[in-house]
Amino acid sequence: AQTVTQSQPEMSVQEAETVTLSCTYDTSESNYYLFWYKQPPSRQMILVIRQEAYKQQNATENRFSVNFQKAAKSFSLKISDSQLGDTAMYFCAFMKHEMDDMRFGAGTRLTVKP
Amino acid sequence: GAGVSQSPRYKVAKRGQDVALRCDPISGHVSLFWYQQALGQGPEFLTYFQNEAQLDKSGLPSDRFFAERPEGSVSTLKIQRTQQEDSAVYLCASSSSLTGRWVYGYTFGSGTRLTVV
Repeated sequence: AQTVTQSQPEMSVQEAETVTLSCTYDTSESNYYLFWYKQPPSRQMILVIRQEAYKQQNATENRFSVNFQKAAKSFSLKISDSQLGDTAMYFCAFMKHEMDDMRFGAGTRLTVKP
Repeated sequence: GAGVSQSPRYKVAKRGQDVALRCDPISGHVSLFWYQQALGQGPEFLTYFQNEAQLDKSGLPSDRFFAERPEGSVSTLKIQRTQQEDSAVYLCASSSSLTGRWVYGYTFGSGTRLTVV
């Protein structure tokens, strides 16, 4: 079974600073997909960034980037130039290539302080 | 519509009452998922539809939970004889992939917050 662990229940960062959210996962698969989702108080899960396990290059989307360490089964999210609007719950998720459902971690609550 | 729409946004039910939660996915999306998110937790998979076929219901916590998607578009999650432990946010997501393996991730709705009193 695949499990996703987010060891930081809460994080805070000053506006314009950089913060890194941690995620580890456990799988025996060699190919899979990893995601970071943002969930603001509106409750809608918003895709932030995704990574395909067979790609060695770390994904980047504007201020968001990941550090994907396949051997260590680690998938951290770095947010640069943090903005007040980044305040939200962040969930790391895993999707096995042949499976249809997505497995989520317990989440990290990020607060960006002015 | 442009996004996944869920209704109602909030639902308060008395213990023992039956409830029905609606999900209207993105038009043309063949795959539809239901997730349950308890307070302070990540979403947990409940069930998956491909068009009108329910291909996986392994996540449904009990036989009080029932989901349907009769015409392959709108889906309803029904909970019979609600219990306090059913209190959670119920999220619906859709995907255009035939198999659900959509590398861009799913599109989620804003969920229904169910409170059982």
